[in-house]
Amino acid sequence: DGGITQSPKYLFRKEGQNVTLSCEQNLNHDAMYWYRQDPGQGLRLIYYSQIVNDFQKGDIAEGYSVSREKKESFPLTVTSAQKNPTAFYLCASAAGDPQGGELFFGEGSRLTVL
Amino acid sequence: AQSVAQPEDQVNVAEGNPLTVKCTYSVSGNPYLFWYVQYPNRGLQFLLKYITGDNLVKGSYGFEAEFNKSQTSFHLKKPSALVSDSALYFCAVRDWNNDMRFGAGTRLTVKP
Repeated sequence: DGGITQSPKYLFRKEGQNVTLSCEQNLNHDAMYWYRQDPGQGLRLIYYSQIVNDFQKGDIAEGYSVSREKKESFPLTVTSAQKNPTAFYLCASAAGDPQGGELFFGEGSRLTVL
Repeated sequence: AQSVAQPEDQVNVAEGNPLTVKCTYSVSGNPYLFWYVQYPNRGLQFLLKYITGDNLVKGSYGFEAEFNKSQTSFHLKKPSALVSDSALYFCAVRDWNNDMRFGAGTRLTVKP
């Protein structure tokens, strides 16, 4: 089935550790996105990528890093520099043309820092 | 930069009554507007979109939205609410540069 797969669904991390969240899509989409969602809050854009080997910072990129080496994959690393990383992380993809329409979302990864 | 605003944190309606969830937008150029729904601990599900054309857009699960350029609004509506419609609803705008921004969300509660 076509879609977006995020893993792991739940992740626990000790303070000071880096952690990488996986996002894979088989929709042949050019654009991919990472958002952060805190309890009772909206979605805040961390990074997005319009094409392989290119990405742009969103509103809250500090403490995060991404790579886009393959069209299908857009992993997010939460580094130890991120002061408050406990959150729900959502990955999405879309056709490259904005008129192509909507984003398709994965089921999310919940990161908890112990 | 483009943005959307959802002025209501919470909307409560009785089952069978019409519902409206409000959204206003700010963009330079043509707006590409979207509504999504989120259930607890899940990703976002697409409901409907406005790209161009008719101002009244019909979407999934009986939802519709009206694009109003003069009021810069894109309110979500449904003629008859169901208890199962209770969820978190997000309005979003996508610009020419593929930047996609979401509102803060509105929690809809439909009471039996």
